[in-house]
Amino acid sequence: GAGVSQSPSNKVTEKGKDVELRCDPISGHTALYWYRQSLGQGLEFLIYFQGNSAPDKSGLPSDRFSAERTGGSVSTLTIQRTQQEDSAVYLCASSSWTSGTYNEQFFGPGTRLTVL
Amino acid sequence: GNSVTQMEGPVTLSEEAFLTINCTYTATGYPSLFWYVQYPGEGLQLLLKATKADDKGSNKGFEATYRKETTSFHLEKGSVQVSDSAVYFCALSDRNGQNFVFGPGTRLSVLP
Repeated sequence: GAGVSQSPSNKVTEKGKDVELRCDPISGHTALYWYRQSLGQGLEFLIYFQGNSAPDKSGLPSDRFSAERTGGSVSTLTIQRTQQEDSAVYLCASSSWTSGTYNEQFFGPGTRLTVL
Repeated sequence: GNSVTQMEGPVTLSEEAFLTINCTYTATGYPSLFWYVQYPGEGLQLLLKATKADDKGSNKGFEATYRKETTSFHLEKGSVQVSDSAVYFCALSDRNGQNFVFGPGTRLSVLP
């Protein structure tokens, strides 16, 4: 079966432009996570979707960042008015729910965003 | 809040050397603990996990034991290979698998 996919794999944009990053989770996975990985840094949690519940947006760094998950499947992370400090690899992960516990996260290959 | 601390890299070893990457955590309750690995040019993937105290996770020759008394989950391998060169992330989640927190990662380079 297919894993988590993300598109585009690379995105170069100019400062001030808006970008949309897409994530297709593994079919049937009810939880979806977005992270940011800056050069040489660890993973920074951004946002978490769980089923039909309101998303946990506690990790979003500013109001320029937003995310949606339509139909409980595909998710889009939008960054408005991009800044150079937004340059990073954006990772998406999904996990399934079994017997009251979320299982391990499966990660996509990431989208490398470069803001010039 | 919950947090994970792991040894800073990079770590450079010769093939067949013994590996230890230290990881300690701060968490309320009884978290689940994980090691993820990111090989060059690839996405993160789960290496091993442990869900309760004294459990030992193991995979591909790597091991880590959940030590609640020292709040640690150190990663070990008895004989590393060049193919083990990667970045290793220690992580935790709460008991129902939410609230994942990742450490900063440790880059391992194994030389032939």
